[in-house]
Amino acid sequence: GENVEQHPSTLSVQEGDSAVIKCTYSDSASNYFPWYKQELGKRPQLIIDIRSNVGEKKDQRIAVTLNKTAKHFSLHITETQPEDSAVYFCAASQPGGSYIPTFGRGTSLIVHP
Amino acid sequence: GAGVSQSPRYKVAKRGQDVALRCDPISGHVSLFWYQQALGQGPEFLTYFQNEAQLDKSGLPSDRFFAERPEGSVSTLKIQRTQQEDSAVYLCASRPSIGQNIQYFGAGTRLSVL
Repeated sequence: GENVEQHPSTLSVQEGDSAVIKCTYSDSASNYFPWYKQELGKRPQLIIDIRSNVGEKKDQRIAVTLNKTAKHFSLHITETQPEDSAVYFCAASQPGGSYIPTFGRGTSLIVHP
Repeated sequence: GAGVSQSPRYKVAKRGQDVALRCDPISGHVSLFWYQQALGQGPEFLTYFQNEAQLDKSGLPSDRFFAERPEGSVSTLKIQRTQQEDSAVYLCASRPSIGQNIQYFGAGTRLSVL
């Protein structure tokens, strides 16, 4: 089955700095890669996603890049703010009716004011 | 709001007790998923429903875990004879239709087995 590795497990930055979280996956058939943000005690919320037919996607301060050859994808947050502090999860899923995602172990992002 | 609703939010059980966790998906969503999230980990897949049919239960850790969705809307995850290792947050997610990728999560039920 699919295996998703996520690094780092903890990331501490100063407000205004950029943050980068990296994930690798094992199954070359995976073609959908969402990123979720989970604040303490709250539900995971989709913040951005990318499909394997594109290499990069941006949404304001958030961007995701995908390298299919190397089987890795990354989340980039620019101009970080304290409210960006949360746990971020990457995931990978394969085509098919169920699209069951395999999640990484999460990165705890701390943005210091 | 019309999001995914889970109840109870917190459940404390004595070891050996049976528990039932409820998920109300977004109205009209065809697909429903259950995940187990241990402390400091990502969600791990348990089972998947398409309407009332349970199409994949490969993630259920033992035969003590059972899920149902009899009318294709509300789902219940039941854990029999709970063990300490069952302590986790149980997340439910729903998706509008088959083949769509985006899942909408509930806030989860935190189960603590003493």
